[in-house]
Amino acid sequence: SAVISQKPSRDICQRGTSLTIQCQVDSQVTMMFWYRQQPGQSLTLIATANQGSEATYESGFVIDKFPISRPNLTFSTLTVSNMSPEDSSIYLCSVEGGSGTYEQYFGPGTRLTVT
Amino acid sequence: GENVEQHPSTLSVQEGDSAVIKCTYSDSASNYFPWYKQELGKGPQLIIDIRSNVGEKKDQRIAVTLNKTAKHFSLHITETQPEDSAVYFCAASFGGYQKVTFGTGTKLQVIP
Repeated sequence: SAVISQKPSRDICQRGTSLTIQCQVDSQVTMMFWYRQQPGQSLTLIATANQGSEATYESGFVIDKFPISRPNLTFSTLTVSNMSPEDSSIYLCSVEGGSGTYEQYFGPGTRLTVT
Repeated sequence: GENVEQHPSTLSVQEGDSAVIKCTYSDSASNYFPWYKQELGKGPQLIIDIRSNVGEKKDQRIAVTLNKTAKHFSLHITETQPEDSAVYFCAASFGGYQKVTFGTGTKLQVIP
């Protein structure tokens, strides 16, 4: 399975500011995914990011609020823009397990608190 | 879209006993069902999965069963240990590079 790292691991941010979260994978992957996990809740997919194309967003999530970059096959960023306390969550990136597999593997997450 | 329901939301068992977590899904086109374990402060860890062409899969103390007709699948943990304490999520997808829909989670506590 892939080794996935995220930066920062946690942050406390002021309302109205933006935070960019980085996701780095130790191998080349086609698909990267960004999820949100609100406190004590399940995981909700924000968007799917392919290298070289625009990210595909799920219902309820928009590019202006959660812009995503995918400059190469091992790296992606998610920005949480114009933050409010409701954005306080764990943000997780995940990657597909490789060609022909169905698995998804998750990074350790970024714990965001907005005050 | 797909909807995954998971029960129970919390489960306490004595060390050495078995634990069973059950999930149902709504979309008959789903063909891949992973289970994740999430320990406090960590990301979800894939512990076992099953594809729709298989009825049961086992890996040491954990097993998963799938009933496609009823759209049910379950996680079974035998001989539970304190380190099994975590939140467990079931999920369903169409497989491949497809969206994974997660259940609501089960907090398992194994009492020594």
